[in-house]
Amino acid sequence: DIQLTQSPSSLSVSVGDRVTITCQASQDISNYLNWYQQKPGKAPILLISGASNLETGVPSRFSGSGSGTDLTFTISSLQPEDIATYYCQQYDSLPLTFGQGTRLDIK
Amino acid sequence: QLQLQESGPGLVKPSETLSLTCTVSGGSISGTTTYYWGWIRQPPGKGLEWIGYVYDSGTTYYNPSLKSRVTMSVDTSKNRFSLKLTSVTAADTAVYYCARHSPSFYASSGYYGDIDRWGQGTLVTVSS
Repeated sequence: DIQLTQSPSSLSVSVGDRVTITCQASQDISNYLNWYQQKPGKAPILLISGASNLETGVPSRFSGSGSGTDLTFTISSLQPEDIATYYCQQYDSLPLTFGQGTRLDIK
Repeated sequence: QLQLQESGPGLVKPSETLSLTCTVSGGSISGTTTYYWGWIRQPPGKGLEWIGYVYDSGTTYYNPSLKSRVTMSVDTSKNRFSLKLTSVTAADTAVYYCARHSPSFYASSGYYGDIDRWGQGTLVTVSS
C-alpha cells in the first residue's frame, strides 16, 4: 500500500493567512493525488483532482501543486468557512489511501 | 442532482455481520457513464479508510486489510449497492460512507480515484 504522510497534522490559523499543507507519498505517485475538505459531522468534499485541478465551484484561493512523492495544497487567503480538516488521497494504485488529515483551527 | 443515502443498523454485536445499503437517487447506478460505487469508513475522531468498490457488473476491488471479511454487491434494479462486513469487533466502529468513484478527468491512472459524490454517512457501533 502507498503511505501518505501529511504535515502538519494540525495548524492554528488566522483569517487571511496563507496555508500550506504537504503530502508525502511513500513512492512516486506522479500527479495521481486528490485533496478533500471535511467539516465536522459532514462527508468529505473533493476539492482538487490530479494534484492541481480545481473541481467545479471550488474557490480559486485553493490550489494544489507537485508530482512524484511531494505534493502541496495551498489556501492563499484563509476564509472563516475554510476551517476544516483536509485530506490527501492517492489513486496511483489500489487500495486507495488517504493521508492522516490536517486539521485547521482558528488561532 | 445525484444523491446517495446509507441505511442499516446503527448497532451490531461483536462477531456478527455489519450490513449496509446505499440507495442512489437522481441518477442511474448503471448509466452510460462508467462509475464504481464504494465504501469508506472513518472511526470516531480518526481518518478515512477506503474499504473498496464495486462496478455495476459486479466486479469488485477490496482493501486487502479487510478483504477476507468484506463483500460488496450491486442491485441495478433497485439502484442500490451494499456492503457486508463479517466478524466485526469494536475496531469496526465507524461512520460508514457510501460514495461514487469516478475516473479523473484531469489525470487518469486507470483507477477510479475521484470520490466525487458521498452519502451523509451512518455511524455503526459494534457493542454487545
